[in-house]
This record gives sequence, C-alpha cells and structure tokens, in this order.
Amino acid sequence: GAVVSQHPSRVICKSGTSVKIECRSLDFQATTMFWYRQFPKQSLMLMATSNEGSKATYEQGVEKDKFLINHASLTLSTLTVTSAHPEDSSFYICSASSLRAGADTQYFGPGTRLTVL
Amino acid sequence: GENVEQHPSTLSVQEGDSAVIKCTYSDSASNYFPWYKQELGKRPQLIIDIRSNVGEKKDQRIAVTLNKTAKHFSLHITETQPEDSAVYFCAASGGGSNYKLTFGKGTLLTVNP
Repeated sequence: GAVVSQHPSRVICKSGTSVKIECRSLDFQATTMFWYRQFPKQSLMLMATSNEGSKATYEQGVEKDKFLINHASLTLSTLTVTSAHPEDSSFYICSASSLRAGADTQYFGPGTRLTVL
Repeated sequence: GENVEQHPSTLSVQEGDSAVIKCTYSDSASNYFPWYKQELGKRPQLIIDIRSNVGEKKDQRIAVTLNKTAKHFSLHITETQPEDSAVYFCAASGGGSNYKLTFGKGTLLTVNP
C-alpha cells in the first residue's frame, strides 16, 4: 500500500515553455501532497504543500506564479513549471500523506527529471 | 523554522560492520522523525521512523534512537551489506496542520565488499 506515481519520469523542453507534472496516490486518498526539488548531490527542498480543494502554501523564496500547483482531488496534484528556464532544470519529487497511514508519514513518488534547454 | 543538521556527510564501512548516522534538530515541538534511503536517481524510501513518545525503535538490522532532551536522533545499521550503499536522509516534522518535513543534507553511505 501507499503507492505514489509521478508522470512524466523525464522531460526535456525548450526555454520559455511550460511543463506539467502529475502526482497520483494510487491506493489511498492523500490528505496532503508535497512538492520538492532536488539538485544533484543535494537534499530535498520543500517547494509547497497542497491540500485538496485549497490553495497551495509555498515556501519562502518559491515563486507561486512560476510554479503553479493544482490539487483537484484526493488522489491527484499537478505542478506546472511556467516559462521554464535552464536554472529550473532539476529533479522534482512529490509526496503524499494520509490520515490513515499517519498524517505525518510521507510516501514519495519516483520523481521527474526536468531538463530545460 | 526547523533546522536539521546531519553528520557525517559521507561514511565508508566494510561489509559486516555497523554504520551510525546522527542528526540534530532545533524545534523542540518536532515530534516525528523519519529516515529515508535514496538510491541514485530513485525516490526516497522510508526505512524507519520514530515518534517523540518513543526512545528507540528497531526493525531487523535497522534501529533509530531519539533523545528529546538533547534534540538528537540517530540511525544505526548493523551487519551492513553492499546493497545498503545509498544516500540516507533524516528529517523532522513538527506536526501542526500540514506536517512539513525538514530534511538533513544527507549521508552517502558506501559499504565495501
């Protein structure tokens, strides 16, 4: 149980385009979903926290107009990187938690490697 | 906000030896402390966690200890195997309404055959 999927696993795009990443909880309803960014050989940095049906809460320094998060249902959250630039190239990972599993336990998706040319 | 320090940044051991990774946290309200294992290019996988009402937890070769007074917690891996080689992250969560995790910087563990 507690499986989280992410799509796509890898994407290459041109500078200035937008990219959408999907995060799904496959076998449980996610109370909360989290979006992280991880640069090579670095730790996970939380970008934002989202609860179904409400606006995401962004961490300090994360541009909410650039990283659009939609949490339309208890099993799906999307992250859209708008007007992507090469410095946005990174490994983006989502996680999900549920009240059933213990609301503080996060299960991670497999990540999306974004390369902006 | 919470700050989590993790040491060492790299750790190399011989197969069969034990490995210990230590973390400290700053927020005394934190009450949940998970450990994740991440292999290169893969997702972080939860390997063990502990809550603040418990001082120690063990799962086969893996154990975690928590000292709330000193605000530090440690991961212990016994009888290490080459497949234990990975980056290990500690994290702390203060609960509240959104259960945010603050991660340490990670420890690259290499188990030499």
